[in-house]
Amino acid sequence: AQRVTQPEKLLSVFKGAPVELKCNYSYSGSPELFWYVQYSRQRLQLLLRHISRESIKGFTADLNKGETSFHLKKPFAQEEDSAMYYCALSGRNQGGKLIFGQGTELSVKP
Amino acid sequence: GAVVSQHPSWVICKSGTSVKIECRSLDFQATTMFWYRQFPKQSLMLMATSNEGSKATYEQGVEKDKFLINHASLTLSTLTVTSAHPEDSSFYICSARARQGLGTEAFFGQGTRLTVV
Repeated sequence: AQRVTQPEKLLSVFKGAPVELKCNYSYSGSPELFWYVQYSRQRLQLLLRHISRESIKGFTADLNKGETSFHLKKPFAQEEDSAMYYCALSGRNQGGKLIFGQGTELSVKP
Repeated sequence: GAVVSQHPSWVICKSGTSVKIECRSLDFQATTMFWYRQFPKQSLMLMATSNEGSKATYEQGVEKDKFLINHASLTLSTLTVTSAHPEDSSFYICSARARQGLGTEAFFGQGTRLTVV
């Protein structure tokens, strides 16, 4: 079964602290993994995807096939990073439909 | 980036009536549009995949006669909630993938909050 699990509903850190939002997945095949972010009162937007291997707004995520994980990391959190973060999975031949995790609310305190 | 617009942003309707939600890709042609439902503090649940000119593919457990999806053009898909009941109250979100260019990214609408009273 396809599944994306984000174990933390809420993650609260202080500004400047490192952040790691966990994501584990279950998929029989080679999925494409994404992180989406939703700032307050805004629409969902793509943060990064595993195939591009880029760093966006200081965030990185590495796909670990052995652990079936795709954790999102940032070394120094900023207050403007406070948002809902969703990990999502798409199968290679599924026409682009996304399976989302439950989401993690990141709160960065001053 | 590409823009996807939903209309209306919010709607209140009486129980038993039908409500139509539009999803438009404003500056690109969308081969495929997706409809999601989101309950408060919960994840997005995929309801159906809509391809232009063909019938929508519904996820397991989603009533196709209850949630009618039409994708008549490359820039417009509609979701009609028929005979709405209070339990249909939710946040409905659409996303669209481009016909060409723009990679495989899906762009999301701002969502429509439906309240059935």
